[in-house]
Amino acid sequence: SAVISQKPSRDICQRGTSLTIQCQVDSQVTMMFWYRQQPGQSLTLIATANQGSEATYESGFVIDKFPISRPNLTFSTLTVSNMSPEDSSIYLCSVDSPGTPNEQFFGPGTRLTVL
Amino acid sequence: GIQVEQSPPDLILQEGANSTLRCNFSDSVNNLQWFHQNPWGQLINLFYIPSGTKQNGRLSATTVATERYSLLYISSSQTTDSGVYFCAVAASGTYKYIFGTGTRLKVLA
Repeated sequence: SAVISQKPSRDICQRGTSLTIQCQVDSQVTMMFWYRQQPGQSLTLIATANQGSEATYESGFVIDKFPISRPNLTFSTLTVSNMSPEDSSIYLCSVDSPGTPNEQFFGPGTRLTVL
Repeated sequence: GIQVEQSPPDLILQEGANSTLRCNFSDSVNNLQWFHQNPWGQLINLFYIPSGTKQNGRLSATTVATERYSLLYISSSQTTDSGVYFCAVAASGTYKYIFGTGTRLKVLA
């Protein structure tokens, strides 16, 4: 399976600021996804990061709030913009496995606290 | 969209006990995975099991796709099994996984 890293692992931010989270994979992958896990909750898909085109957002998530970049097949970023305390969550990226395309693997997550 | 319900929501076991976790989904799916989220938040892949039965050590899983459920069995539980167990499904023609509500497991020494 692919090895996935995320930066930062955690951060504490002030409301109104923005944070960019990086996701790096050690091999080329077709699909990359971004999820949010609010405290005590399950995971919710934010968007699919498409290489060479705009991300595809799920209902309830918009590009202005969560801009995503995917410049190549091994890297993506998610920005959480104009943050409020409600954005405090774990943000995780996931990728499909080159060996088993329908199986997804997750990065270690970024734990964000907004004051 | 597909609804994914897991039961029980919470489970407390003594070390060495066995347990069965259930995942029900509301529509046909092509992909199903079980994950363990450890206390540090890391999601660990347990099984990719859209149908049939698989075993890996003390863990095994069975998915009956026609009846829209999957089961995860944990035998001889250990304290390191503590955490939250999620099933996630993806409908036909999509790679977008929908996560279940989770089962929070605590294993006592």
